[in-house]
Amino acid sequence: NAGVTQTPKFQVLKTGQSMTLQCAQDMNHEYMSWYRQDPGMGLRLIHYSVGAGITDQGEVPNGYNVSRSTTEDFPLRLLSAAPSQTSVYFCASSLAGGRKETQYFGPGTRLLVL
Amino acid sequence: AQKITQTQPGMFVQEKEAVTLDCTYDTSDPSYGLFWYKQPSSGEMIFLIYQGSYDQQNATEGRYSLNFQKARKSANLVISASQLGDSAMYFCAMREAINTPLVFGKGTRLSVIA
Repeated sequence: NAGVTQTPKFQVLKTGQSMTLQCAQDMNHEYMSWYRQDPGMGLRLIHYSVGAGITDQGEVPNGYNVSRSTTEDFPLRLLSAAPSQTSVYFCASSLAGGRKETQYFGPGTRLLVL
Repeated sequence: AQKITQTQPGMFVQEKEAVTLDCTYDTSDPSYGLFWYKQPSSGEMIFLIYQGSYDQQNATEGRYSLNFQKARKSANLVISASQLGDSAMYFCAMREAINTPLVFGKGTRLSVIA
């Protein structure tokens, strides 16, 4: 199992550009989520999905879109990049949304918006 | 209101000593799960330990144990016999109802001194 994979590892964008951060898991996990990590802020939830075709907003969804057409993939789209979106982005997945289900994280994507 | 509070931004510990990282949480749900993750300087998120709200005993995983005090709503992580490789950020997290997101604290940076 590759676990949770994220691409790219690092990206530089100009303000106003759009891009998609890819996330895939091969563990047949129903639950997937996107977080961003900023210094001193911990991990903040952007969007999450409890299964294919179902997504919901987290704490900081503005400027981001998601879709979940398959169980395996959960891409995060930046519609028009802003410097405030400079951050490290983590994708995570778990078997289900149960209280005791451990979330497994991808290696992260470091994004710099100029 | 913050659901997860980690009051120690940074901690130092001597190698081979034990250290306690504090975590308090806020929930009115009687059923919840508490998690600790480690983030070394390489950036990946590593799951350490889980405690369920109905678990009768404190969770232990090797050198990690969780000091769970339900009435005080605290879930402190205890690392015994600290090693240099324990130097990292540590995050406490909680999941309340089924299919709700994992909510993180802001983290504690632990530095182990030789």
